[in-house]
Amino acid sequence: DIQLTQSPSFLSASVGDRVTITCRASQGISSYLAWYQQKPGKAPKLLIYAASTLQNGVPSRFSGSGSGTEFILTISSLQPEDFATYYCQQLNNYPITFGQGTRLEIK
Amino acid sequence: QVQLQESGPGLVKPSQTLSLTCTVSGGSISSGTYYWSWIRQPAGEGLEWIGRISTSGGTNYNSSLQSRVTISIDTSKNLFSLKLSSVTAADTAVYYCARGSRGSYYDYWGQGTLVTVSS
Repeated sequence: DIQLTQSPSFLSASVGDRVTITCRASQGISSYLAWYQQKPGKAPKLLIYAASTLQNGVPSRFSGSGSGTEFILTISSLQPEDFATYYCQQLNNYPITFGQGTRLEIK
Repeated sequence: QVQLQESGPGLVKPSQTLSLTCTVSGGSISSGTYYWSWIRQPAGEGLEWIGRISTSGGTNYNSSLQSRVTISIDTSKNLFSLKLSSVTAADTAVYYCARGSRGSYYDYWGQGTLVTVSS
């Protein structure tokens, strides 16, 4: 199975900050990577697919980059509604796997 | 607007079979090239992919669960289903159904349903 390791696992930041979350794959996955946002008690929400394509309706302050084994999610200017847990997901190989999550909290 | 809704028992006894249904509304489950999937999340933990089914009935399962999992689809009723046999407490989780587009990028999700395995 392909393992996805996110760093950091926990991030404390302030409104207006620029933050980055990294997702590293245990083997190359081309650009078959997505990013999701999950708030407590809610289903995950797709933000980015194919490593860098913004899902319809997602604010442009979210962006994704990378290919192969290293990927980055960037939030250019944190808004109050962005405090949540973020997951990466690969679909290059079965089984589809997710990273362990990065919890983003208000400083 | 596509909507997915999970339904099924919230409590299952150990060794029994967990059965859930995901009803799709706002569009035909048969239209387009989508994969219909089940994903679960134990309390306070991350996401685990269980498996997926195409509109033609082709399936892929997580190898860790493959011997116990069956996903089926009923296009006439616009729903798909999950069966997980021989459950233990480790199968206690929130179970989500989701639509995978462009392969398995999950763009629509159900609200999730908590299934507890306990006697």
